[in-house]
Amino acid sequence: EVQLVESGGGLVQPGGSLRVSCAASGFTFSSDWMIWVRQAPGKGLEWVANTNQDGSKKYYMDSVKGRFTISRDNGKNSLFLQMNSLKVEDTAVYYCVRDVSPHNYDAFDIWGQGTMVTVSS
Amino acid sequence: AIQMTQSPSSLSASVGDRVTITCRASQDIRDELSWYQQKPGNAPKLLIYGASSLQTGVPSRFSGSGSGTDFTLTVSSLQPEDLATYYCLQDYNYPRTFGQGTKVEIK
Repeated sequence: EVQLVESGGGLVQPGGSLRVSCAASGFTFSSDWMIWVRQAPGKGLEWVANTNQDGSKKYYMDSVKGRFTISRDNGKNSLFLQMNSLKVEDTAVYYCVRDVSPHNYDAFDIWGQGTMVTVSS
Repeated sequence: AIQMTQSPSSLSASVGDRVTITCRASQDIRDELSWYQQKPGNAPKLLIYGASSLQTGVPSRFSGSGSGTDFTLTVSSLQPEDLATYYCLQDYNYPRTFGQGTKVEIK
């Protein structure tokens, strides 16, 4: 079965750090771009970051640049998001997503169930 | 960053109605746009990529059109299971940006 399973969410104080993980199965993880998308409670979707197949290219939304780092371990079929200097406004469900990239278009075809990150004192 | 503006923010329609959602980009994005459906309590689902290509397994009542700055998602005959919020996403450049969403309710 093709799936993505996130873990590592939780409650953290402002200024703290957290690392969320995503375990992929059922497809060739090393062949695809991978993405993190987040959704604050009751709000819309936000694209956070992505990385290419070998992890050599990484792109971020402006508000997390310098604080968040996306990485992957193709040997373990895993995607990570290291979040430092967390702010209250980073509170959200974080989704791990596959981009199947047909004809070089973005196409986010597989989504995890999400992991909740709460930043609060 | 490119701004994506959806309209309307919400709509209510009857089963069988034709429903149209619009997404406007703040600059030309060619055809580099996708559409997602998010049902309450669930992760989003890919409907359309490349502005008009239907994702495998998505019912044919969904269609996408447009290029440049103006795009449309159409549901030709609304079904009860289409109750959801719909989002567009531009992939012309970084950072990728979503529209704010359109909530579709069934009368």
